[in-house]
Amino acid sequence: EVQLVQSGAEVKKPGESLKISCKASGYTFSTYWIGWVRQMPGKGLEWMAIIFPSDSETRYSPSFQGQVTISADKSINTAYLQWSSLKASDTAVYYCARHGTLGATKDAFDVWGRGTVVTVSS
Amino acid sequence: DIVMTQSPDSLAVSLGERATINCKSSQNILYSSNNKNYLAWYQHKPGQPPKLLFSWASTRASGVPDRFRATGSGTDFSLTIDSLQAEDVAVYYCQHYYNTPRAFGQGTKVEIK
Repeated sequence: EVQLVQSGAEVKKPGESLKISCKASGYTFSTYWIGWVRQMPGKGLEWMAIIFPSDSETRYSPSFQGQVTISADKSINTAYLQWSSLKASDTAVYYCARHGTLGATKDAFDVWGRGTVVTVSS
Repeated sequence: DIVMTQSPDSLAVSLGERATINCKSSQNILYSSNNKNYLAWYQHKPGQPPKLLFSWASTRASGVPDRFRATGSGTDFSLTIDSLQAEDVAVYYCQHYYNTPRAFGQGTKVEIK
């Protein structure tokens, strides 16, 4: 069974750094693009970025470029989303999700993690 | 950037009746080279991750009941739920994946009347 298991909820202060994870199983991790989607409280879904674990090629939304960093470690089948300096406005649920077609850069997300709640508050 | 606009923002439909959600892209998302529309539909229930319903505008994902159907091409798309069931209460999103950034629509909340 294809699964994406995300790391647990985080409570952080503004200015702190954070790295959340998404561990994949049930498929060849390096050969499917995987990405991150934000949902702020009471709001809709926002596409953030995707990465191809085989060579770490990335695509970012301009809205998130420079604000977060996406990475992947294919040796442990895990994708990451990280912040160097959190803001209160980063408070949200962050979902990881996988493209549905092997190697396809442009595709829908067919498998989703359950989400990581990030709360940033002083 | 391509902007996805859904209508309505919410709708209430009686059990067993039809619900239709529209999605309009600000640019054509049909690739002429392969005649594919780069559009997906998702269902999102509270406390759960989003679930893929359709990709390529009308290709039903595995396990999606056939009361769900999706149509459209170019810039105008729709998702229809024939005979709404209680378990269909959710927020529905369209998303293009034609280029970067791959935007979602703002979502349409479907409730029971």
